[in-house]
Amino acid sequence: DAGITQSPRYKITETGRQVTLMCHQTWSHSYMFWYRQDLGHGLRLIYYSAAADITDKGEVPDGYVVSRSKTENFPLTLESATRSQTSVYFCASSQVVEKLFFGSGTQLSVL
Amino acid sequence: TQLLEQSPQFLSIQEGENLTVYCNSSSVFSSLQWYRQEPGEGPVLLVTVVTGGEVKKLKRLTFQFGDARKDSSLHITAAQPGDTGLYLCAGASSGTYKYIFGTGTRLKVLA
Repeated sequence: DAGITQSPRYKITETGRQVTLMCHQTWSHSYMFWYRQDLGHGLRLIYYSAAADITDKGEVPDGYVVSRSKTENFPLTLESATRSQTSVYFCASSQVVEKLFFGSGTQLSVL
Repeated sequence: TQLLEQSPQFLSIQEGENLTVYCNSSSVFSSLQWYRQEPGEGPVLLVTVVTGGEVKKLKRLTFQFGDARKDSSLHITAAQPGDTGLYLCAGASSGTYKYIFGTGTRLKVLA
C-alpha cells in the first residue's frame, strides 16, 4: 500500500539551477495537485491536473513547469530556482476532487 | 480571484475551553472540506460539507456550511492537547476542479 510518495524528502540547491520534484501515486487517481506551503501559512496551488496530458495553472504557477505523461506521475520542475521558491512542496492526488490524499512533502532550500 | 480567508490565524487556549474557527469566501463552493495538518506531514481530511446550512459532528468537532455555501465554521468543544495542529478549509468553486486551501488557523491547546 504505497499510496502517494514524493522524492526527494529534502533538497538543497543554488539559485539558477533546475530542480525536479517527483510525485508518484499507486491508486490511479485522476486528479493530481502541487502546492507550496510557506512557514506559518496555508497551502497555495501551483499546478493541477485532471488526467494524463491535462494540466492547468493554479494560484502561483510562475517559475514552475509540470508534465503528466502517465496517470501515476506528476513531476514539478523549477526551471531556474530562486530564493523565493524556498518552501515545502506537497503533492496530492484524488479520485474525487473533494478528497485529497497528500504526500509527506519535499522541503526545498534555494541558497 | 477566489480566496478562502480563515480566522483567527493563531489561537492558543487552555485544555477544556471551546473555540470556533471561521472560513469565509466571496465565492460559492459546491462543497467545503476541513483538513488538519501536523508538523512534518501533509494535511488529512476531517470532513466534507455539501449542503447549504449543513451541520456535521465528528466527536467534539462540529462543522457548519453557510446557507449561501460561501462560508464554513469549525467548533471544537472541550479542546484537548491532541487537537493541536493547523486547521485548513478547502474547496473547489462550482464547476471547476481548481482546489484551493484557506490561509489556515494554527491551534495550540495547552495542558
